[in-house]
Amino acid sequence: GENVEQHPSTLSVQEGDSAVIKCTYSDSASNYFPWYKQELGKRPQLIIDIRSNVGEKKDQRIAVTLNKTAKHFSLHITETQPEDSAVYFCAAMDRRVNQFYFGTGTSLTVIP
Amino acid sequence: GAVVSQHPSRVICKSGTSVKIECRSLDFQATTMFWYRQFPKKSLMLMATSNEGSKATYEQGVEKDKFLINHASLTLSTLTVTSAHPEDSSFYICSARDLRGDTEAFFGQGTRLTVV
Repeated sequence: GENVEQHPSTLSVQEGDSAVIKCTYSDSASNYFPWYKQELGKRPQLIIDIRSNVGEKKDQRIAVTLNKTAKHFSLHITETQPEDSAVYFCAAMDRRVNQFYFGTGTSLTVIP
Repeated sequence: GAVVSQHPSRVICKSGTSVKIECRSLDFQATTMFWYRQFPKKSLMLMATSNEGSKATYEQGVEKDKFLINHASLTLSTLTVTSAHPEDSSFYICSARDLRGDTEAFFGQGTRLTVV
């Protein structure tokens, strides 16, 4: 199956700074890349996603970039706030065969 | 977004007994359900993928006879942990998507299983 690697595993930033989380994937057939935010004890929630026919997508303070050639994609959070503190997971999916794999997670702490 | 309900949220069982976890899609038809296991401060490990009306596809290293998955309808999938042991204690979480509508996957709230 797909192998998704995610870095860093932990990240601390000052409030107002930017945070960047990077993921790589192994299966060139993967064509959908969502990012999930999981707060302690809660279910993962989709925050942004990107399909393989797009290189970048932005939603307010959150953006995702995708480099299909290099097989990596990144999450960018600007103007971070304490409520952004959570564990973030990237995932890669081949929508045609319906296989869905997560990265190892990044614990983000935003320091007030 | 769509709602996926998982039940129970917490369960404690004795070693050797079986536990059933339900995952329901409340407002959409889930052609596919994914079952994950999550260890503390770790990622979600895909255990199996089930398509409605078909046998589940298990990931390498996951015992299909120990983790029985049933997906008999478009709104319900169950995971049964058979002959549970303390090492099966974990957080189990399901997610569901409608392959026909090409939706993203929505997660249940998870089940904290403790085997004593």
